Amino acid sequence: QQQVKQSPQSLIVQKGGISIINCAYENTAFDYFPWYQQFPGKGPALLIAIRPDVSEKKEGRFTISFNKSAKQFSLHIMDSQPGDSATYFCAATYSGGYQKVTFGTGTKLQVIP
Amino acid sequence: DTGVSQDPRHKITKRGQNVTFRCDPISEHNRLYWYRQTLGQGPEFLTYFQNEAQLEKSRLLSDRFSAERPKGSFSTLEIQRTEQGDSAMYLCASSLALDSGYTFGSGTRLTVV
Repeated sequence: QQQVKQSPQSLIVQKGGISIINCAYENTAFDYFPWYQQFPGKGPALLIAIRPDVSEKKEGRFTISFNKSAKQFSLHIMDSQPGDSATYFCAATYSGGYQKVTFGTGTKLQVIP
Repeated sequence: DTGVSQDPRHKITKRGQNVTFRCDPISEHNRLYWYRQTLGQGPEFLTYFQNEAQLEKSRLLSDRFSAERPKGSFSTLEIQRTEQGDSAMYLCASSLALDSGYTFGSGTRLTVV
């Protein structure tokens, strides 16, 4: 069973703080790890993605840290804003297949003023 | 092209009825995916099309489910003899290549009563 485990299930952070969401995967064939952001009533939207040949990728306030040996990766949201309040999904897939994406169970983030 | 369009946005149906959903992907995307998302969970893969060919189906897709993508353009997902357990958000996504990630539509929320 290909699984991606995500924690925490929910997270409350004060405005300006750092939000951290953690994920772990089992299948070492995975070679592409995207993060998606989903607002209520909307489909998930690609936020940032990383391949395992790099340990960190940063785009604006969003950073992915990747630990290949531990099969873990995390999303850090710096200077969290109320507009970041959404559900975040980590995911994994492998280039050799049909690019079917396996999603984590999601983290509901609430950023309070 | 403004993105992936799904129709209808909401569907309420009685148990045992058939329903059909439509997805219009981004025009230049040759890959199309259907996912199902239940409350508090990440999206689960249902099926994948490359152009008009259906290349993978999840075992979640029972024989009551059928999907088509005629001429490699829009796609339809039909559920026959709906059951209450079919109640979920049905998401369509399209992509051009792995590194571009998926673009999801806003989904069709199905409620079976």
